[in-house]
Amino acid sequence: DTGVSQDPRHKITKRGQNVTFRCDPISEHNRLYWYRQTLGQGPEFLTYFQNEAQLEKSRLLSDRFSAERPKGSFSTLEIQRTEQGDSAMYLCASSLAGQPYGYTFGSGTRLTVV
Amino acid sequence: AQTVTQSQPEMSVQEAETVTLSCTYDTSESDYYLFWYKQPPSRQMILVIRQEAYKQQNATENRFSVNFQKAAKSFSLKISDSQLGDAAMYFCAYRAGTASKLTFGTGTRLQVTL
Repeated sequence: DTGVSQDPRHKITKRGQNVTFRCDPISEHNRLYWYRQTLGQGPEFLTYFQNEAQLEKSRLLSDRFSAERPKGSFSTLEIQRTEQGDSAMYLCASSLAGQPYGYTFGSGTRLTVV
Repeated sequence: AQTVTQSQPEMSVQEAETVTLSCTYDTSESDYYLFWYKQPPSRQMILVIRQEAYKQQNATENRFSVNFQKAAKSFSLKISDSQLGDAAMYFCAYRAGTASKLTFGTGTRLQVTL
């Protein structure tokens, strides 16, 4: 297993376009998390899944954002009608429920909205 | 709400010297975990060290150690014998015992000079 994979690594999009990011967690991990990191800040929690169930969503996750984890494996994060304020690094992490410190992060997708 | 504060945006240390990065947090929980993560230019967040709040003994991982002051809600990271490869952003993070998400500070950029 090569860890948490995120695709694409970079994405440049025009304002108003929709974008979708993918995250492939470590195969035996049943929890998957999405974080957003803006320049000069620490990552901020967006949402997490346990298996296919989305158990928590941050108020940062506006109605233009949607995340899915079909079949409890990979996850997608879609942003509709992108705005310049959406420009950030989107980080994915996975862990095994019951292990309080077993987070593994991916390398992130850097989104630039022009 | 839990908050994590890192008051040092940037720190610099000479190779082979020791540096201490500061972190304070605010919580009303009694059961929680604290972490230091390293984020190099490759962007992947890497766990450096962790501390369980119920443990009085400070955690140590090779050249990395923490000074956990529970009453003061302080959690500093000491890096001994600094190496060029230690240059990165360092984030302090908190996780409540019953929660899944991490709350991060704003980070400290560590430079290591020859």
